[in-house]
Amino acid sequence: DQQVKQNSPSLSVQEGRISILNCDYTNSMFDYFLWYKKYPAEGPTFLISISSIKDKNEDGRFTVFLNKSAKHLSLHIVPSQPGDSAVYFCAASGATDSWGKLQFGAGTQVVVTP
Amino acid sequence: EPEVTQTPSHQVTQMGQEVILRCVPISNHLYFYWYRQILGQKVEFLVSFYNNEISEKSEIFDDQFSVERPDGSNFTLKIRSTKLEDSAMYFCASRTGGFGEQYFGPGTRLTVT
Repeated sequence: DQQVKQNSPSLSVQEGRISILNCDYTNSMFDYFLWYKKYPAEGPTFLISISSIKDKNEDGRFTVFLNKSAKHLSLHIVPSQPGDSAVYFCAASGATDSWGKLQFGAGTQVVVTP
Repeated sequence: EPEVTQTPSHQVTQMGQEVILRCVPISNHLYFYWYRQILGQKVEFLVSFYNNEISEKSEIFDDQFSVERPDGSNFTLKIRSTKLEDSAMYFCASRTGGFGEQYFGPGTRLTVT
């Protein structure tokens, strides 16, 4: 059941440059999207979210963009720092999932190099 | 900063044994969840819990699984008779109410031998 897809399993980026992570979804009922960051042996940590009534949300170095017509969202990290090296998960929830169940993508491993 | 805690961090059990995984959600949160991640796979939803009852469950959450909030702070996941395929990281999560992000615990690694 691949309703949330992250097609890039890994991304390598130089410190100080922009990291762009992509996520696609197939379920048009999804209306709330989140990005989580995960270090090994830890739980997912919430980063940023966006509701379907918006197309952009910013929080410090993190910006999420939502293109509803393309069923696509992206996470921009500017500038990238060594501590950003982690697995990033895209997750989605929908109006029909009133209890807030999240559906996750497979994750993208980001490595920030000096 | 408040956080979700989980115990134990690692549980090893033999096939057919019962296990109980424990979680303490953030204190003012009202919605509670269990997810799992089998090695190399996605994080998968198991069950949501609100107002002292299951609000939604996935097809994974069969009769071998149960959840309970025995007091005002703990939230437990019980697997009655473990199978090899239950080996995974189990994450507890909670959120306040309405619409919003879920906060995850550090996980319990369950190994069934």
